[in-house]
Amino acid sequence: AQSVTQLDSQVPVFEEAPVELRCNYSSSVSVYLFWYVQYPNQGLQLLLKYLSGSTLVKGINGFEAEFNKSQTSFHLRKPSVHISDTAEYFCAVSAINTNAGKSTFGDGTTLTVKP
Amino acid sequence: ETGVTQTPRHLVMGMTNKKSLKCEQHLGHNAMYWYKQSAKKPLELMFVYNFKEQTENNSVPSRFSPECPNSSHLFLHLHTLQPEDSALYLCASSQGLEGHEQYFGPGTRLTVT
Repeated sequence: AQSVTQLDSQVPVFEEAPVELRCNYSSSVSVYLFWYVQYPNQGLQLLLKYLSGSTLVKGINGFEAEFNKSQTSFHLRKPSVHISDTAEYFCAVSAINTNAGKSTFGDGTTLTVKP
Repeated sequence: ETGVTQTPRHLVMGMTNKKSLKCEQHLGHNAMYWYKQSAKKPLELMFVYNFKEQTENNSVPSRFSPECPNSSHLFLHLHTLQPEDSALYLCASSQGLEGHEQYFGPGTRLTVT
């Protein structure tokens, strides 16, 4: 079984400031890692994913995340946020080589970008 | 239509009504999911289907009844719901169960009165 902990439920930040949304996971097997974004009144949309290879992955809208296996973390970063980045962000993991394989989601982090 | 569509987008129903939510994916995926998203609560996985077969039921009350006639369509039949069932119901699909990102529909906002 796996679990995901998003360490901050709410992150307020000013426009053009950098932001980091933290995600730690726990799993007895290797996992794939994902970040999703949910804008108001919409479904979740994939931001980026880590499957293998380089531990720094780049996604849409200028976001990137770094996989740290020793710290079991997958933090999401953006060097300069915009008002339009205000949304709910979800970290998710999916176990590799299991019959289940479904994703386990964190509780979400609400990012609020203020002018 | 592209991606994952859900109808209706909004639904208000009484506790004695019977209604159905519909999800359709146009991505050629094999797996489909129902999630419940309530305010102030984590995303809850309800059901998983893979190649039309149900692979997971997360202890969902029987007043929720899923149906997957083919890999492109997923329904959630609702009857005798409770006010606490009011939530956003999200459908998702993926290429397979292992290691694949999920594609979500916009959701159906359900209000039970």
